Amino acid sequence: EAQVTQNPRYLITVTGKKLTVTCSQNMNHEYMSWYRQDPGLGLRQIYYSMNVEVTDKGDVPEGYKVSRKEKRNFPLILESPSPNQTSLYFCASSLKDNEQFFGPGTRLTVL
Amino acid sequence: GESVGLHLPTLSVQEGDNSIINCAYSNSASDYFIWYKQESGKGPQFIIDIRSNMDKRQGQRVTVLLNKTVKHLSLQIAATQPGDSAVYFCALRGSNYKLTFGKGTLLTVNP
Repeated sequence: EAQVTQNPRYLITVTGKKLTVTCSQNMNHEYMSWYRQDPGLGLRQIYYSMNVEVTDKGDVPEGYKVSRKEKRNFPLILESPSPNQTSLYFCASSLKDNEQFFGPGTRLTVL
Repeated sequence: GESVGLHLPTLSVQEGDNSIINCAYSNSASDYFIWYKQESGKGPQFIIDIRSNMDKRQGQRVTVLLNKTVKHLSLQIAATQPGDSAVYFCALRGSNYKLTFGKGTLLTVNP
């Protein structure tokens, strides 16, 4: 089944404790992206990747890192999480000229 | 940069009626527009898309209209059903395949 998977789906952590949210797609998509979704603010792009080893900042990249060492994986790294990073996170992928497919979401709470 | 406005944050319709959800945008360079549906607890799901060289596209019970002159995009849902209840987002693509999302319209279908 063609899909985008994210892990974990839910995470509660404390300020400053490094964490990684994984994202994987099995559709051989070049383009991958991370979004956060917050009430009243909609979906905002954090980082995106046009292909392996090519990443760039989105609208709200502060406090996040990404890497794209393989085509299928695009992990989101929070080196020192803070409470304002409590949010619902979505990974998405696409062929460059087509619609993005979204993962199921990761709900992160930083205490 | 791109911005995507929202005409109505909520829309309530009777089952069987037609629904129209609107979006305004500001970036005239946008070449690709997408409508997504997001049900509670799930990631956004692709509904329909339209490219800038078209002004209308139809799917199953859905139609997207694009008016580039006034930078307006709309989603029409025919014979709205309770299963259509969700948040609907418009998204437009700018440079580097970056998607900018509207803040969403909550559609409620009353039986």
